[in-house]
Amino acid sequence: DAMVIQNPRYQVTQFGKPVTLSCSQTLNHNVMYWYQQKSSQAPKLLFHYYDKDFNNEADTPDNFQSRRPNTSFCFLDIRSPGLGDAAMYLCATSRDGSSGGAAKNIQYFGAGTRLSVL
Amino acid sequence: GIQVEQSPPDLILQEGANSTLRCNFSDSVNNLQWFHQNPWGQLINLFYIPSGTKQNGRLSATTVATERYSLLYISSSQTTDSGVYFCAVASSGGYQKVTFGTGTKLQVIP
Repeated sequence: DAMVIQNPRYQVTQFGKPVTLSCSQTLNHNVMYWYQQKSSQAPKLLFHYYDKDFNNEADTPDNFQSRRPNTSFCFLDIRSPGLGDAAMYLCATSRDGSSGGAAKNIQYFGAGTRLSVL
Repeated sequence: GIQVEQSPPDLILQEGANSTLRCNFSDSVNNLQWFHQNPWGQLINLFYIPSGTKQNGRLSATTVATERYSLLYISSSQTTDSGVYFCAVASSGGYQKVTFGTGTKLQVIP
């Protein structure tokens, strides 16, 4: 089945130690998103890629970076994790609505990576 | 930006009961999705419903775009329905960044 896969499911890192979370998709969608979700809150968009074009949200801290080496993979790098960065990180994909079709604009989510910072 | 409010914020149901969850949004939308976030954190698509009515098993959804609200109906609730329900909307064209609602936390007890 086509899907969005996030690895690892659980990640523990130390305060200040860089960490990378990964996301892959077999849906061949051109848009990929990274969200941060803290306890009892809605997901908050950090940034997204439209093809190779990177789009950062205005309030995303500089500590968060992303890479998309190809259509299938997208990485979230946290350069110096702080205690406040402990959260669930969700990756999602969608197909650009302008390309037509019934499945456009629907976001599909991976299972998430729960990050703990010690 | 667009504001999205969901009600009720919390809901406890006896297994077998029916419920209605509401999503109000502050501007016209051309994308509305309902998600169920299970206790393990995964967001699962329930409906893509910018307008009209859809049904899938015990779940159905209705969006009245002109009045800026959407309803999610859960009938004959089961314990596996527990979790958080989010609606997410977008109002721009092309590829779309969605705004998530505040969520409804549902607990179904046996």
